[in-house]
Amino acid sequence: SQKIEQNSEALNIQEGKTATLTCNYTNYSPAYLQWYRQDPGRGPVFLLLIRENEKEKRKERLKVTFDTTLKQSLFHITASQPADSATYLCALENSGNTPLVFGKGTRLSVIA
Amino acid sequence: DTAVSQTPKYLVTQMGNDKSIKCEQNLGHDTMYWYKQDSKKFLKIMFSYNNKELIINETVPNRFSPKSPDKAHLNLHINSLELGDSAVYFCASSLPLIRPSSGANVLTFGAGSRLTVL
Repeated sequence: SQKIEQNSEALNIQEGKTATLTCNYTNYSPAYLQWYRQDPGRGPVFLLLIRENEKEKRKERLKVTFDTTLKQSLFHITASQPADSATYLCALENSGNTPLVFGKGTRLSVIA
Repeated sequence: DTAVSQTPKYLVTQMGNDKSIKCEQNLGHDTMYWYKQDSKKFLKIMFSYNNKELIINETVPNRFSPKSPDKAHLNLHINSLELGDSAVYFCASSLPLIRPSSGANVLTFGAGSRLTVL
């Protein structure tokens, strides 16, 4: 069966450290993989997208990697700040015209 | 100037009632969606409409009926509400789902509508 798993439900890190979140998938062939941020009481907000033929993508303090052999994406936030505390969702888009499928998310808490 | 707006934000109702949630987007997107986020925070696709036409119906009970009067609006009507319908319902929009393979499907979400069925 198809699965998207994000490594842990919650992750606590110290301010200034690098947060690394994991997204693993099974029985998908994603053309794209996306990461969203969701704050309490709000809708998810798009952060980054990486294509199946890309290994890495960066945006300011964010970095995403995509390994289609391992069927895994890593999402890094460097120099983390308390304002980065939120739930981060990975989402897959299969080849063809299919809707985004989301993982359950990882709740990140950055402690000052 | 909100991109995707949903109303109401909160809805508390009794079992058996019928209720509607409205969604409007001003982004000029052709595709709109309804997602359901349950108490475990799992975000699951329910419906997708492209330019007023239903594209995806993900095994949702037929008590749920989406309606798209035009491509900027996608409303969700729920009949005979059940306890298990309690969740946060998110509307979203994107550029056309049916597109060249080089295009990606980035979603813009509304703030959500929290439905509580008592």
